Amino acid sequence: GAGVSQSPSNKVTEKGKDVELRCDPISGHTALYWYRQSLGQGLEFLIYFQGNSAPDKSGLPSDRFSAERTGGSVSTLTIQRTQQEDSAVYLCASSPGPTGNTIYFGEGSWLTVV
Amino acid sequence: DQQVKQNSPSLSVQEGRISILNCDYTNSMFDYFLWYKKYPAEGPTFLISISSIKDKNEDGRFTVFLNKSAKHLSLHIVPSQPGDSAVYFCAASRIQGAQKLVFGQGTRLTINP
Repeated sequence: GAGVSQSPSNKVTEKGKDVELRCDPISGHTALYWYRQSLGQGLEFLIYFQGNSAPDKSGLPSDRFSAERTGGSVSTLTIQRTQQEDSAVYLCASSPGPTGNTIYFGEGSWLTVV
Repeated sequence: DQQVKQNSPSLSVQEGRISILNCDYTNSMFDYFLWYKKYPAEGPTFLISISSIKDKNEDGRFTVFLNKSAKHLSLHIVPSQPGDSAVYFCAASRIQGAQKLVFGQGTRLTINP
């Protein structure tokens, strides 16, 4: 498709399990972002990839969270030993280049930890 | 450290009237600002942007105003329509240096018939 694609769209997992969330950015976009939105909260920055530069991981809330971007395209956000407070919608976005361009969001992956 | 703040969590406006959403920022290095709109169960969608070389940008019913000295921007929607009911996020960044977008907490706008 033409837009940012995220999978799964919904995930229910048991506390303590690991989850992987996938993001396919818009083709040709060099910048990729992960944000999350917890219930009733704003958009919380998690991590930012720009081309071949070292990612900005300053928003990752704990060392249980990690993300990779393979081949400058697809990205995977991994949450280890999930906790109930990890329940949120995880939003991926991409943009053509460094910030200053509009970023385009996917539909999000809704994670529920029970 | 909340660098971008939307102090009104919600706003209710009558259909046909003007909606004004406000946003304040603290980082004087920000030079690019955007507004996003989010419906429930959907990702945010881009609405309008403005760079710091301007103080106004208009697109149809939507106008964004930037007051750099006050570190304040606002989004005006006129006339407001029921389909405008959504959560609106403002965001800011620095164009140079590949800086990430920083978002505010969002304002839920409800347009009443």
